Amino acid sequence: AQSVTQPDIHITVSEGASLELRCNYSYGATPYLFWYVQSPGQGLQLLLKYFSGDTLVQGIKGFEAEFKRSQSSFNLRKPSVHWSDAAEYFCAVRGAQKLVFGQGTRLTINP
Amino acid sequence: GAVVSQHPSWVICKSGTSVKIECRSLDFQATTMFWYRQFPKQSLMLMATSNEGSKATYEQGVEKDKFLINHASLTLSTLTVTSAHPEDSSFYICSASFRLSASALYNEQFFGPGTRLTVL
Repeated sequence: AQSVTQPDIHITVSEGASLELRCNYSYGATPYLFWYVQSPGQGLQLLLKYFSGDTLVQGIKGFEAEFKRSQSSFNLRKPSVHWSDAAEYFCAVRGAQKLVFGQGTRLTINP
Repeated sequence: GAVVSQHPSWVICKSGTSVKIECRSLDFQATTMFWYRQFPKQSLMLMATSNEGSKATYEQGVEKDKFLINHASLTLSTLTVTSAHPEDSSFYICSASFRLSASALYNEQFFGPGTRLTVL
């Protein structure tokens, strides 16, 4: 069965600093991978997704992610974070028509 | 486009009562709707998958008699928490999916804003 691990429960970065959120997945076939963001008390917004092709995918709000099959990873990056990026971030893998989510990483931004 | 709404956004009820949560796809017809449960500071756990006009498929460990799901139309699914107890307090999120185009690889899911249920 597919699974997703986000090793970092909570990350704090300063505004303007770069960001990398880690995601490792386990899936037997070629994975469909996603990153979602959840603001407090709200549903999920899709940041980006990977199905195939170029392993570096661009998303909304200046985020990008790189798929590395050899490392079973799909890390999310942003070169310069903004205070509005403070939220919970979830990595997910799709298998058998349903999404499996990681535990989430809470991002705090220091002014 | 592809907006999903939930109603109510929050609800407080007494133990033993039933609560109904609605999930609507506002500008598209959803072939499938999903219900998730999220505990504080935790991930989303899929509870069930429902297709319009057919019975929901529940995930292992989810009580189908406790969490009744009805998907009566292509734009509406409801989750009823029957005889709610404090341990049912949680954040419930629905999503709706459809195929964006004939060439799309899969049916993308769009998430509602969630419903906060508190059972006293």
